[in-house]
Amino acid sequence: DIQMTQSPSSLSASVGDRVTITCRASQGIRNDLGWYQQKPGKAPKCLIYAASSLQSGVPSRFSGSGSGTEFTLTISSLQPEDFATYYCLQFNSYPWTFGHGTKVEIK
Amino acid sequence: QVQLVDSGGGLVEPGGSLRLSCAASGFTFSDHSMSWIRQAPGKGLEWISLISSSGSHTYYADSVKGRFTISRDNAKGSLSLRMNNLRVEDTAVYYCARGWAANWGQGTLVTVSS
Repeated sequence: DIQMTQSPSSLSASVGDRVTITCRASQGIRNDLGWYQQKPGKAPKCLIYAASSLQSGVPSRFSGSGSGTEFTLTISSLQPEDFATYYCLQFNSYPWTFGHGTKVEIK
Repeated sequence: QVQLVDSGGGLVEPGGSLRLSCAASGFTFSDHSMSWIRQAPGKGLEWISLISSSGSHTYYADSVKGRFTISRDNAKGSLSLRMNNLRVEDTAVYYCARGWAANWGQGTLVTVSS
């Protein structure tokens, strides 16, 4: 199985900060990776697919990059509604595997 | 717009069975693979199964293989998950998702407890 190592597990940031979250795959997954945002009590929402493509309706402050084994989600200017937990998901091979999540909290 | 509505969750005793459903609308259901993903209370996300667009191929996580069965009815736009021999550790919110999890249902809670 492909292991997805996501870091950090949590971070504190202020409104307006630039935030970066990283996922590392245990083997190459091309660009078969998505990023998801989840708020408490809600279903996850897809932000990025194919590592760097912005899902329709998602604000442009979110961006994704990477290929192979190293991937990054960047929020260019953190907004109050962005405080949530973020997950990466590899869908290159079965079983699909998620990172353990990054909780973004208010500083 | 794409809509996925999960249903069928509830309280079941260990060893029991349950069938979850997902009603899809707003897209051509037969063009997309579909998955079930779950989240235990206070934990992260776990992908558990996928069915191809035609239904001819299915995939499972080891944690549910042999106990859960995914199926779909393309004529009705519906996805199902039959869960047998349920364990306490299967307690979770279960979500259906389209394709590479581009869209998610609202989730349905399954509680396995005596």
